Amino acid sequence: ILNVEQSPQSLHVQEGDSTNFTCSFPSSNFYALHWYRWETAKSPEALFVMTLNGDEKKKGRISATLNTKEGYSYLYIKGSQPEDSATYLCAFRGGANNLFFGTGTRLTVIP
Amino acid sequence: DAGVIQSPRHEVTEMGQEVTLRCKPISGHNSLFWYRQTMMRGLELLIYFNNNVPIDDSGMPEDRFSAKMPNASFSTLKIQPSEPRDSAVYFCASTPNRAQEKLFFGSGTQLSVL
Repeated sequence: ILNVEQSPQSLHVQEGDSTNFTCSFPSSNFYALHWYRWETAKSPEALFVMTLNGDEKKKGRISATLNTKEGYSYLYIKGSQPEDSATYLCAFRGGANNLFFGTGTRLTVIP
Repeated sequence: DAGVIQSPRHEVTEMGQEVTLRCKPISGHNSLFWYRQTMMRGLELLIYFNNNVPIDDSGMPEDRFSAKMPNASFSTLKIQPSEPRDSAVYFCASTPNRAQEKLFFGSGTQLSVL
């Protein structure tokens, strides 16, 4: 089992604020890094899958960066909205094709 | 496509009983994963299959847990006998057989063992 860590564990921001979270993962045997958004009482849904060092992905107000050499990824949300409230999970895929999840960052956006 | 289908949505059982959770992956997806979600450990990988073959079951907690995938469209996770500490949400997910592809999750089975 690999160590995938996310910080912070939880976060409260005001509507309109921008925010970011961190995912750290092993820097060896890297294959892919996933980000998922998980709303309460629903299933996780994929945001991004990144495979190359230096990758940057964007989907609306949400973007992510990847540094495989140092083993971290950042997720950014610009101008947070109440509907962004969810748990954001990252997952590391190593050479064995397993996908190991972090424990997530729970974001609450206060109107 | 209806997505990944899991059943039942909720299961309440008594300690010692056998529990079987079911999953139908998305048609054409070659990899299937079983995860367990708990407050303490988040999403834990239990086992995953590739082309119906179990590849890694190192996450299965103990011999009481077993999983099968008899064909490309069906998988089961069985707990026998069940214990209260098995209470959790169990998710099934599938993906095409490429590491760059995202997981598609089912709606999960909420298991309560009394």
